Amino acid sequence: KQEVTQIPAALSVPEGENLVLNCSFTDSAIYNLQWFRQDPGKGLTSLLLIQSSQREQTSGRLNASLDKSSGRSTLYIAASQPGDSATYLCAVKRDDNYGQNFVFGPGTRLSVLP
Amino acid sequence: NAGVTQTPKFRVLKTGQSMTLLCAQDMNHEYMYWYRQDPGMGLRLIHYSVGEGTTAKGEVPDGYNVSRLKKQNFLLGLESAAPSQTSVYFCASSYGLAGGLTYEQYFGPGTRLTVT
Repeated sequence: KQEVTQIPAALSVPEGENLVLNCSFTDSAIYNLQWFRQDPGKGLTSLLLIQSSQREQTSGRLNASLDKSSGRSTLYIAASQPGDSATYLCAVKRDDNYGQNFVFGPGTRLSVLP
Repeated sequence: NAGVTQTPKFRVLKTGQSMTLLCAQDMNHEYMYWYRQDPGMGLRLIHYSVGEGTTAKGEVPDGYNVSRLKKQNFLLGLESAAPSQTSVYFCASSYGLAGGLTYEQYFGPGTRLTVT
């Protein structure tokens, strides 16, 4: 059974710091991995999606990497801002074209202090 | 585009009552999903649909039913609500085979349901 963990559970950093959020999964047979942001009381906003054949994806100050063999993904946030404060979740999709088995991690709650 | 919308935003039910949550998307996505989010449990898939007229069970389907009569709508029903169904419910949609197999999910704002 696929299990997804995220470390740390919570992180507090001063504004301007670069930071790394971690996502680990137990079964390397994944189709893709998606990073989301969730603001309190809101839905999830897609940040980056990495297909299993890719090593990384970038969007602005965000960079996500994927190492399937070790079951890890990292989300790098450069020059953090108070507006980055949110919970960040990763989700992996099972490696097949039909089953819709997405497994989510518990999230990392990020606070960026002004 | 409105993206994914959910109705209602909040609801309080008494045990045994029934209700239907509505999800609508205007992105012409083939696939739609219902999740519940609980503290300490993360997001769990309840049911999903890979196209109009189809539905399938996810990880935690018991106590829920779904219907996808139109491509843009996905309904989640609770026939006899229980306190264990107190949760935040999220709908999501994605392209499937017709969209290049990316399955990137787009989420609605959620429905907060309390069952007393």
